[in-house]
Amino acid sequence: QQQVKQSPQSLIVQKGGISIINCAYENTAFDYFPWYQQFPGKGPALLIAIRPDVSEKKEGRFTISFNKSAKQFSLHIMDSQPGDSATYFCAASLDAGGTSYGKLTFGQGTILTVHP
Amino acid sequence: AAGVIQSPRHLIKEKRETATLKCYPIPRHDTVYWYQQGPGQDPQFLISFYEKMQSDKGSIPDRFSAQQFSDYHSELNMSSLELGDSALYFCASSLAYEQYFGPGTRLTVT
Repeated sequence: QQQVKQSPQSLIVQKGGISIINCAYENTAFDYFPWYQQFPGKGPALLIAIRPDVSEKKEGRFTISFNKSAKQFSLHIMDSQPGDSATYFCAASLDAGGTSYGKLTFGQGTILTVHP
Repeated sequence: AAGVIQSPRHLIKEKRETATLKCYPIPRHDTVYWYQQGPGQDPQFLISFYEKMQSDKGSIPDRFSAQQFSDYHSELNMSSLELGDSALYFCASSLAYEQYFGPGTRLTVT
């Protein structure tokens, strides 16, 4: 059972456009929601993350929108560039107790292609 | 800035052989996670360590074991390798909730 569901599976956007990727989660105990960018053969790189006490977080061209009641969050990439072409994963985790945080549960991933 | 180091980067083994993957976390990070990523798949959690103690366990086969040493580096030991073990293996480290991934070890079992 996929605890974090991500859509779309693939996305094609023109340069300068807005890329939007959506995720929905099941476990209401999740309290940390990061987005990762992964290029082929490379490790996932942390892009931006949000906690459920805020509804939106912006860092440069990347924005996370969070809807706690709907159990949904999304990534918006403004002014998309060909260099943004990669696989994007949403994820969720929860406090494992003590000062350690728990495992990441990933969405299925979105392959983003930005055409010049 | 220092990143997570993994070695080796590529490993080719035959069925039924043993493999050892190493992970060196970012300095001062106290938690290490191991993930397995198959082709076209999302990373799947295997096991984690906090302050050298196992903190959580995922869908890790009994053939796999791991530990974290006094210098905080971690090793994933994989025995009786199967073709299905071919994947990218990532280590991530954290000090709080942000996990930073290493470049991965690509394991190919033939």
